[in-house]
Amino acid sequence: DQQVKQNSPSLSVQEGRISILNCDYTNSMFDYFLWYKKYPAEGPTFLISISSIKDKNEDGRFTVFLNKSAKHLSLHIVPSQPGDSAVYFCAASAVRSGYALNFGKGTSLLVTP
Amino acid sequence: DAGITQSPRHKVTETGTPVTLRCHQTENHRYMYWYRQDPGHGLRLIHYSYGVKDTDKGEVSDGYSVSRSKTEDFLLTLESATSSQTSVYFCAISEGVGAFQPQHFGDGTRLSIL
Repeated sequence: DQQVKQNSPSLSVQEGRISILNCDYTNSMFDYFLWYKKYPAEGPTFLISISSIKDKNEDGRFTVFLNKSAKHLSLHIVPSQPGDSAVYFCAASAVRSGYALNFGKGTSLLVTP
Repeated sequence: DAGITQSPRHKVTETGTPVTLRCHQTENHRYMYWYRQDPGHGLRLIHYSYGVKDTDKGEVSDGYSVSRSKTEDFLLTLESATSSQTSVYFCAISEGVGAFQPQHFGDGTRLSIL
């Protein structure tokens, strides 16, 4: 049973606007949540993470929000750039399972000029 | 970039043959992981290692074995490959001690089993 869900397979946004990618999870034992970006024929690249005891983490144009009561997190990219076009994976990790990652199925983001 | 090398990068083989994929790291990280990526499934954990000779199973471990005899190398073996194991395989590493550290991934091995 998938513990991390990304319900939007794709998203298209205009350059300069905000991109919002969403993720839901079912396991309340997760300690950390991460976002990865992936280009074709490459491995996932770490973007940003958030601890389960925080509700927001910001790094440049990327901000992750965590709503524990709703078991929901989101990644905001502001402003969006054409180079941000990629597949974005949400992942969750628990200390007790060796920090192994549970991934969502990914959201393909297209940023148009 | 994290020092992770996966080999081979591409492999085509036949059903029933043994296959070994290698992940080599130069970061001296404690934790190493093997994932597979298939359409419609994201990445799924196969096995992971938390030290030399210390390994544990992941979500999709059936049909796979692993070994870690040195800190820098983590091998994934398909004893008798099946067509359902056609996939892209990713290795990841993380320091795994002290404060939380994210995993960093290699560029993958594309494996086709005919």
